[in-house]
Amino acid sequence: DQQVKQNSPSLSVQEGRISILNCDYTNSMFDYFLWYKKYPAEGPTFLISISSIKDKNEDGRFTVFLNKSAKHLSLHIVPSQPGDSAVYFCAARAGGTSYGKLTFGQGTILTVHP
Amino acid sequence: DAGVIQSPRHEVTEMGQEVTLRCKPISGHNSLFWYRQTMMRGLELLIYFNNNVPIDDSGMPEDRFSAKMPNASFSTLKIQPSEPRDSAVYFCASSYRGNSNQPQHFGDGTRLSIL
Repeated sequence: DQQVKQNSPSLSVQEGRISILNCDYTNSMFDYFLWYKKYPAEGPTFLISISSIKDKNEDGRFTVFLNKSAKHLSLHIVPSQPGDSAVYFCAARAGGTSYGKLTFGQGTILTVHP
Repeated sequence: DAGVIQSPRHEVTEMGQEVTLRCKPISGHNSLFWYRQTMMRGLELLIYFNNNVPIDDSGMPEDRFSAKMPNASFSTLKIQPSEPRDSAVYFCASSYRGNSNQPQHFGDGTRLSIL
């Protein structure tokens, strides 16, 4: 039972263009969503998050959009840079007794070509 | 600022041996998490602690796995006896649990190979 899904295993974009990474979830109890970036041989690095009371959050080149009715979130990177090439994971957390427990998607490999 | 520190970075051992993974969380964080990453199952939560107390260990695969947090600055994950299927990358993460949402911050992991 995969509650968080990233259906695109990989994405390739040109430097300077927009990268859009997508994530779908099934658990309606999720109330906090995060994106992490991971380089080889390193741990995931926190990128940006959004609470379920919002539908958009921006931090520099990174914007996360949340569509609760569709149970869908996306990460936009504008403009994309070669250094953004990494694996991107979305994660979700439910409140209440599940507080603290993050459920991760399988990841999307982003390659940004110079 | 020091991040989450894990040791060892790599561990290769033979089946049946005891393995101990170590984690030092970020100072001031009161929640600690152990994850395992494999090709088949991705990143999955094994156990987490809040204020040094285990809260949810439902992800621990078997009784061969145990985790402790004797104080706020140290945790161990032990596998005894180890098996080849335990080979994976094990991550530790920490966060501050307060009134607002806070992200988890990860260490660089321990790559474990059981021969």
